[in-house]
Amino acid sequence: DAGITQSPRYKITETGRQVTLMCHQTWSHSYMFWYRQDLGHGLRLIYYSAAADITDKGEVPDGYVVSRSKTENFPLTLESATRSQTSVYFCASSEDRLGYTFGSGTRLTVV
Amino acid sequence: EDQVTQSPEALRLQEGESSSLNCSYTVSGLRGLFWYRQDPGKGPEFLFTLYSAGEEKEKERLKATLTKKESFLHITAPKPEDSATYLCAVQAANQAGTALIFGKGTTLSVSS
Repeated sequence: DAGITQSPRYKITETGRQVTLMCHQTWSHSYMFWYRQDLGHGLRLIYYSAAADITDKGEVPDGYVVSRSKTENFPLTLESATRSQTSVYFCASSEDRLGYTFGSGTRLTVV
Repeated sequence: EDQVTQSPEALRLQEGESSSLNCSYTVSGLRGLFWYRQDPGKGPEFLFTLYSAGEEKEKERLKATLTKKESFLHITAPKPEDSATYLCAVQAANQAGTALIFGKGTTLSVSS
């Protein structure tokens, strides 16, 4: 199916564990983004990518790692999860000035 | 610092009661202003993009307008299915790539 898919939909992990959130898009959009959404903060940019093998930090990158070896995939890894990383994570893709298309989100709970 | 402020935080309307949501912004060069709708448990859904002051766009009961300092999302004769959180975002000229800066949103509740 065409679109942007995030997995898993829900994830519970323990403090200190590594966890990877997956994002896959079918349009071959150049740009991909990871945002986190928290009550009182709105959507905040974690990392973005302008093309395969090109990534850069956003507003809140600490504790996160990204990679983009293929245009369609943009995984987000929490190297050592902390409770402050409990959040809803959204992946999005875009072609320059066109509106972003967001995935359905991953609700991550760190206990 | 680039910033987006939405007001009110929450708005309750009766079905058919028209109103407006506000999005004020300060950016160093606006490339575009975006409106999104977000339903509970879902990702934001794109509604409009506005690029220059004076521009207007419409979709069903929604109309978005843009000035040099703010944007309004006008909702005419709303229905319960219009209940959602509406997000405003800007794309600034100095933002790397096409990254958007989001406001915190206005949660709209429309009762029948």
